[in-house]
Amino acid sequence: DAKTTQPTSMDCAEGRAANLPCNHSTISGNEYVYWYRQIHSQGPQYIIHGLKNNETNEMASLIITEDRKSSTLILPHATLRDTAVYYCIVRRYSGGGADGLTFGKGTHLIIQP
Amino acid sequence: DGGITQSPKYLFRKEGQNVTLSCEQNLNHDAMYWYRQDPGQGLRLIYYSQIVNDFQKGDIAEGYSVSREKKESFPLTVTSAQKNPTAFYLCASSSMGQGAYEQYFGPGTRLTVT
Repeated sequence: DAKTTQPTSMDCAEGRAANLPCNHSTISGNEYVYWYRQIHSQGPQYIIHGLKNNETNEMASLIITEDRKSSTLILPHATLRDTAVYYCIVRRYSGGGADGLTFGKGTHLIIQP
Repeated sequence: DGGITQSPKYLFRKEGQNVTLSCEQNLNHDAMYWYRQDPGQGLRLIYYSQIVNDFQKGDIAEGYSVSREKKESFPLTVTSAQKNPTAFYLCASSSMGQGAYEQYFGPGTRLTVT
């Protein structure tokens, strides 16, 4: 699976959009980009995933560049409850198998009041 | 209310004792996983299971054992052979196929061994 690079930490003002970048320059054509977040001392929570096209759900939007070498997770109106560690994970869909995920250190997003 | 339960939330043990962490899910998921998290680090995969009575080692299986006798349950035993057992342990489940990487996590068990 491709390696990902994320900033260690970021700040964002409450009510503003939080844009979290992820670099995955070695991604291959059949690898998906997944985003999870982990609020302190809790289990991680799935946010969104995508392959090529931009995706949006009730939690966030995922923008993937045309060359797929990087992506941005967007939280449109950040609240204090969005303070968490955000993990970007690249994973190949293995056609039926479920063999776990690899979580790096992620980005610690701090929402400032 | 569907979800994953882990118990207990905090667990304290003396060195040299085996300890079993519970994980139950009522999401009807086929796959279940155990991860370990150390302070300031990401999660590392210990074991996973795709079907009852079958499981596979993850990246750091040494010193751990699991069983999968029922679809809903995937207990993890931390044995005395695990050199650094103090950690935050997380259980997860998912469907198979394209949903496999949309994993649902439990609240975790924080194990302290002294």
